[in-house]
Parts: sequence; C-alpha cells; structure tokens
Amino acid sequence: ETGVTQSPTHLIKTRGQQVTLRCSSQSGHNTVSWYQQALGQGPQFIFQYYREEENGRGNFPPRFSGLQFPNYSSELNVNALELDDSALYLCASKRGQLDDTDTQYFGPGTRLTVL
Amino acid sequence: GNSVTQMEGPVTLSEEAFLTINCTYTATGYPSLFWYVQYPGEGLQLLLKATKADDKGSNKGFEATYRKETTSFHLEKGSVQVSDSAVYFCALRGSGGYQKVTFGIGTKLQVIP
Repeated sequence: ETGVTQSPTHLIKTRGQQVTLRCSSQSGHNTVSWYQQALGQGPQFIFQYYREEENGRGNFPPRFSGLQFPNYSSELNVNALELDDSALYLCASKRGQLDDTDTQYFGPGTRLTVL
Repeated sequence: GNSVTQMEGPVTLSEEAFLTINCTYTATGYPSLFWYVQYPGEGLQLLLKATKADDKGSNKGFEATYRKETTSFHLEKGSVQVSDSAVYFCALRGSGGYQKVTFGIGTKLQVIP
C-alpha cells in the first residue's frame, strides 16, 4: 500500500475521444509524475508537476496535458485519442522535487484501452 | 540521452535458486540507480536504490551494487521464492537539477516450486 490511488481502474474509449485520468497522492507530496507503460514495456515518462506547475516533460505531444491541485490530487488529460495510447498509465508522487533520497511512490495505474 | 538496458525475460527459476538480472546504463555524470518490482495487477514498488558509485542497495534479500566502471547495477538474490515472481525494472535518474526517471524494458521472473 503506497498511499497513492488512481481512478478509474480500467477505461475503454474510442479513437478521437478525450480522457481524464485521476491520481490522489499522499499528503505532503508536492511532486507528481505521470508515466505511460505499454504492454511488455517499461514506463515512459510523460511529465512531472511540482507545486501545480509542469517542470519536466518527456517525448509526448501536447495533446497529453495535466493538472495538479493543492489537495495533492492531479489529472492526466489526453485529447484526440489514438490506438497507440492504449496502455497502463501510472502516477507517482514524492515529497520533494530534487532530493534523490525521497522515495517515489507509484499508484496501481489506470488501464486505458482505445478502440 | 540516458538509457537503461536490462536482460529480456522471461527468467524461470526453481525455488531457492540464485537470481541475477543484468542491468547496464548510459548516462552522463553520476545518476542514481533503482530497481523497481511490479507484482501482477499492481503498480511499481521501489525495491532498492543506490545513489553513488560502489553503494550497495539491499532489501528483502535482494542486492545490487552501483558499478561505475562497468556502468552496471545487476540485481541478485541468493535464494528466490515463489512470491518473488514479478516483473523487475532497472531505472536511473540523472544527476544535476531536475531529472526524469528512465526505465528499462523490465524482466519477468517466474519462480516455480
């Protein structure tokens, strides 16, 4: 039990639709990161938010966007869904921004299927 | 850019066998290195980490030593159990300011009784 929760657990969408995935971090965790994990692959970094501002982004197009809220919750939004967006989406939170000694805690993930 | 290469699975071992999962990395500077484990149907859990050269991370009988000269961080366990069956990910975080975590492809371990 990491104290990080994600909703929904599973989701099915069709191509072109938009989706919002949600994450609730541990209290006091100011940093949240989102990852995409395709089947049989390692997680790929999408972006990171620190104190409600995006401060790092991986190789994902602008149709992937996010929000972080003061209550330690966050959202990942994906517009114009494509078939290749089908994956497990993981959020991870940690207390600090740059401190390597802080452990990053992962949620169980949301399985998104795009048909 | 940073990258992590780990042996592809699946790896199938009998209970109490010795485990080694190889991991090598490419990065500038002095990255931090991690092993994460993903049990079936669950999210990632940090298994162990090492933040500087020659550090040894250990947890639950697993060990890995940060070898800068060979750019490696191999995971070992002396005697695996059925409950160790999972997917293991090697990962690194670059040094200097904000750096994302880069993961390897993952190695599936299956331990049979």
